Amino acid sequence: RKEVEQDPGPFNVPEGATVAFNCTYSNSASQSFFWYRQDCRKEPKLLMSVYSSGNEDGRFTAQLNRASQYISLLIRDSKLSDSATYLCVVTEGGGFKTIFGAGTRLFVKA
Amino acid sequence: NAGVTQTPKFQVLKTGQSMTLQCAQDMNHNSMYWYRQDPGMGLRLIYYSASEGTTDKGEVPNGYNVSRLNKREFSLRLESAAPSQTSVYFCASMWGARTTYGYTFGSGTRLTVV
Repeated sequence: RKEVEQDPGPFNVPEGATVAFNCTYSNSASQSFFWYRQDCRKEPKLLMSVYSSGNEDGRFTAQLNRASQYISLLIRDSKLSDSATYLCVVTEGGGFKTIFGAGTRLFVKA
Repeated sequence: NAGVTQTPKFQVLKTGQSMTLQCAQDMNHNSMYWYRQDPGMGLRLIYYSASEGTTDKGEVPNGYNVSRLNKREFSLRLESAAPSQTSVYFCASMWGARTTYGYTFGSGTRLTVV
């Protein structure tokens, strides 16, 4: 079993749609959780951290369920510019063991 | 405000050749990392350096060596390239501490070994 698993997609959605991605992790001792965004042939960039209480940044909402060991990312009112690969990232031990999911590809179409 | 700079951006090597990937950051971060990214797989850690003067193996260190030359620079060397090392390589530095931190990545090096 992979340490961090994501549905690879691709998710194809029209502009304005709401789309949700899930990610599961295997180590219950994992401490910190993040979503990164990676555009085609570019480097990953931090999208948002994920907190147990849930957090929102504009159209993006991240949730963490420690009991079930999964993380989610919700994108509302999708834009063409949201098309990218979204990486689920889990860390242990203050950041020195970081595990990246393989990513979920999103295509937003006009 | 360059962030993390990697060179070269592209490289083609023949099997058995050697090369060094260069990485420099201007953000005064202590920790630096080398990852490789292959299709269908997450980024995998090759080596990291928690601070100047220290380096440690990551998940996939075989076939690589690193040097933390100073606080700014962290290089990755392939002594004898193999086709299995065809990949995209990312250097990163880490900002923050404890529960508030993240990575800044360089733009990547696309390496093909033939």
